[in-house]
Order: sequence, then C-alpha cells, then structure tokens
Amino acid sequence: QQQVKQSPQSLIVQKGGIPIINCAYENTAFDYFPWYQQFPGKGPALLIAIRPDVSEKKEGRFTISFNKSAKQFSLHIMDSQPGDSATYFCAASMPGNQFYFGTGTSLTVIP
Amino acid sequence: DTGVSQDPRHKITKRGQNVTFRCDPISEHNRLYWYRQTLGQGPEFLTYFQNEAQLEKSRLLSDRFSAERPKGSFSTLEIQRTEQGDSAMYLCASSFWREGSNEQFFGPGTRLTVL
Repeated sequence: QQQVKQSPQSLIVQKGGIPIINCAYENTAFDYFPWYQQFPGKGPALLIAIRPDVSEKKEGRFTISFNKSAKQFSLHIMDSQPGDSATYFCAASMPGNQFYFGTGTSLTVIP
Repeated sequence: DTGVSQDPRHKITKRGQNVTFRCDPISEHNRLYWYRQTLGQGPEFLTYFQNEAQLEKSRLLSDRFSAERPKGSFSTLEIQRTEQGDSAMYLCASSFWREGSNEQFFGPGTRLTVL
C-alpha cells in the first residue's frame, strides 16, 4: 500500500512557468514532509521541507503548500529553468522515523 | 567533501554471488538509513541504525540481506546469493536525530546489476 501518492507522473513546462506537483497521504501521525530533487545517476537532494503546523513555506524559487485537513501538500517551482529538469519526490515520515516516498514526478522545462 | 559517500558507485555481479556495499555518513550524524530504489520508483526503506544499534528492518529486507554499523560510524550492506531482482540503486542516508528534526541527507548511491 502506497503511503504517499504523488501526481502527476510527468510534467512538461516552458521556461518561466510554474510547475506544481501534488502529494497526498493518509497517516495523520506523519509530521515531516520533505521534497527531494534527483538527477539521473545521483542520490536525492533535499530541496525543502515542511511540518504540519504551517500552511506554506518558501525557500528561493521553491514553495510548499500544505493542507492538513485535506492531507495534501504540493511543491511549486517559480520561474522554472531548464536546470530544474529532474525527478522530484515527495516524502513523509513520523518523528525520527523512515521516509515514505512518493513515486516521483519527472519534470522537463523547455527552454 | 563532507557529504554522505558510498562505495562502490557501480557493481556488476553474477547471480548467486555475494556483494557488500559501504556507506560513510556525515560525521557526527547518529542515524544511518539504507533505502533501495528501482527504476521509475521512489526510494524504499530497508533498515536504519542509531549509532551502532539496528533499530528497524523492513519486510523488504530478506534473510539474504544483512547490515552492520559496528562502531557507529560507517555501515555495510551485504547481499548474499544475489538474484536478478536485487538489481537496483542502493541509497544510504544519514541524519543527526534530535527531537523535532528529521532531515536526511542522501549519498550518491550504489548501482547494482545482477546478471
């Protein structure tokens, strides 16, 4: 059973566009929600993370929106660039515990 | 470079052989995690250590898999009698766990191909 459901599977946007990637979870014990960026052949790199006591967090061009009642969270990438082309994974965890990852979204930013 | 390192980066082996991977976490990180990632999927948890103690193992970790972290620093993951289904990227992550913190930093992974 997939603990974290991620959509879409793939996404193509023009340079400067705002891709949005969505994730949903069921376990209300989750209290930490990170997003990772992964390039081919590399390990995942932490982009940004949020806890359920805030509804939005922004770091540079990356913003997480969090809806606790709907058990959903999303990643927005402002002013997307071709260098942002990568696979993005959401994840969730309980305090100090393993991460449950989504299935990933392959993002392509067209110049 | 003070990030998580893994060795080797690539391993090709024949079915039935044993393989061992090494992970060196960020220094002073007390937790170390192993994940497995297959093509087109997110990482799946295998096991984790706090210092030298192995605290949790996934049901994915069959008895052919064993992990150690003998001195609470580096860790090894051994797969015995490899099968073609073991082909995957094996990722290591580390964190400095304390109340309210769960940032995990990943290494570059070891790509295993079982022929």
